[in-house]
Amino acid sequence: KAGVTQTPRYLIKTRGQQVTLSCSPISGHRSVSWYQQTPGQGLQFLFEYFSETQRNKGNFPGRFSGRQFSNSRSEMNVSTLELGDSALYLCASSLGQGRTDTQYFGPGTRLTVL
Amino acid sequence: GIQVEQSPPDLILQEGANSTLRCNFSDSVNNLQWFHQNPWGQLINLFYIPSGTKQNGRLSATTVATERYSLLYISSSQTTDSGVYFCAVEGVGSGNTGKLIFGQGTTLQVKP
Repeated sequence: KAGVTQTPRYLIKTRGQQVTLSCSPISGHRSVSWYQQTPGQGLQFLFEYFSETQRNKGNFPGRFSGRQFSNSRSEMNVSTLELGDSALYLCASSLGQGRTDTQYFGPGTRLTVL
Repeated sequence: GIQVEQSPPDLILQEGANSTLRCNFSDSVNNLQWFHQNPWGQLINLFYIPSGTKQNGRLSATTVATERYSLLYISSSQTTDSGVYFCAVEGVGSGNTGKLIFGQGTTLQVKP
């Protein structure tokens, strides 16, 4: 079974631009979560989608948004990029059913904002 | 929200040595996972262990949910074990579904 895939793997943008990152979950998984990893803040939860609905959201400004499609693929968008948005963005997929659920992570998208 | 603390923050071992990494969490959890982050940034699942003990080769983990801690044991360490180890938990309640809270990690260096 193929793992979680993320595209693109690397991205360079300038301040003020916007960016869209994509995540394809493991086949059969209906939940996708997004995380931001920076040296200063570590790994922080952005949001989680299940069956095209956002179920939970972390403490990030409204510039960070996401969506999920009917095939469970998810995208996250960051508008009006700031230097501090430079980070590794990771997505994880899980079955999304019940209380206990293992999350499997993709390889990440490394975003650099200049 | 839940706080997750990992210790030690850094660990240097000689190849062949054993080690224990600790993860303390501040509240009840539905989910606890241990990950190894490789040099390219990918988080590799090691264990899903909200309670009890599991073993996988040279690695084993124990979570004592009632005392809110988990331990990851690495035996006969190899240079390929180097990297950052993360503990992550998911709190109880629908507001925490799919939301892992990560510790700051333990950076392990295994020297040949």
